[in-house]
Amino acid sequence: AQTVTQSQPEMSVQEAETVTLSCTYDTSENNYYLFWYKQPPSRQMILVIRQEAYKQQNATENRFSVNFQKAAKSFSLKISDSQLGDTAMYFCAFYNAGNMLTFGGGTRLMVKP
Amino acid sequence: GAGVSQSPSNKVTEKGKDVELRCDPISGHTALYWYRQSLGQGLEFLIYFQGNSAPDKSGLPSDRFSAERTGGSVSTLTIQRTQQEDSAVYLCASSSQGGLTEAFFGQGTRLTVV
Repeated sequence: AQTVTQSQPEMSVQEAETVTLSCTYDTSENNYYLFWYKQPPSRQMILVIRQEAYKQQNATENRFSVNFQKAAKSFSLKISDSQLGDTAMYFCAFYNAGNMLTFGGGTRLMVKP
Repeated sequence: GAGVSQSPSNKVTEKGKDVELRCDPISGHTALYWYRQSLGQGLEFLIYFQGNSAPDKSGLPSDRFSAERTGGSVSTLTIQRTQQEDSAVYLCASSSQGGLTEAFFGQGTRLTVV
């Protein structure tokens, strides 16, 4: 079974600064997909960014980028120029064909003005 | 529909009563997931439906929990003889290829057992 670990239960960052959220996973598969989801206080889960394991290039979506280290099974999320609206729970997730989407325990991020 | 719809948004029930939670996935999505989220905590997997395959029920915490998906669309999660520890937000998600593409979430049902 796949496992996803987020070692930082809570983090904080000053507005406009950069923060990195960690995620590691355990799998014997070679082809899979990794995701970061954001859950603001409204409770609505929103996809932030996605990475296909076969792609070496790190995914980027505006202020959000990932550092995907396949050999180390690490998938961190970097948020640049943090904004107050980035305050939320962030979940790392893993998927490969034939299995279900598996989530980490989440990191609560607080952006301070 | 435009998104994943869950009903009710909130449910307060007395201990020992049965409850049904409903999820309407995005039309055409073959995969449907149920998760449970306790206050401020992570997502606990409950059950996974993929097309016509037998559902993965490995996450259901006890035999008081069951779920079905009729016609490959709407799903109902049923909790029998509710207990206070069942109080949580129940989230439903659907995706078009089981996870290859984005999973879309509903806004959840907050269940409170008193």
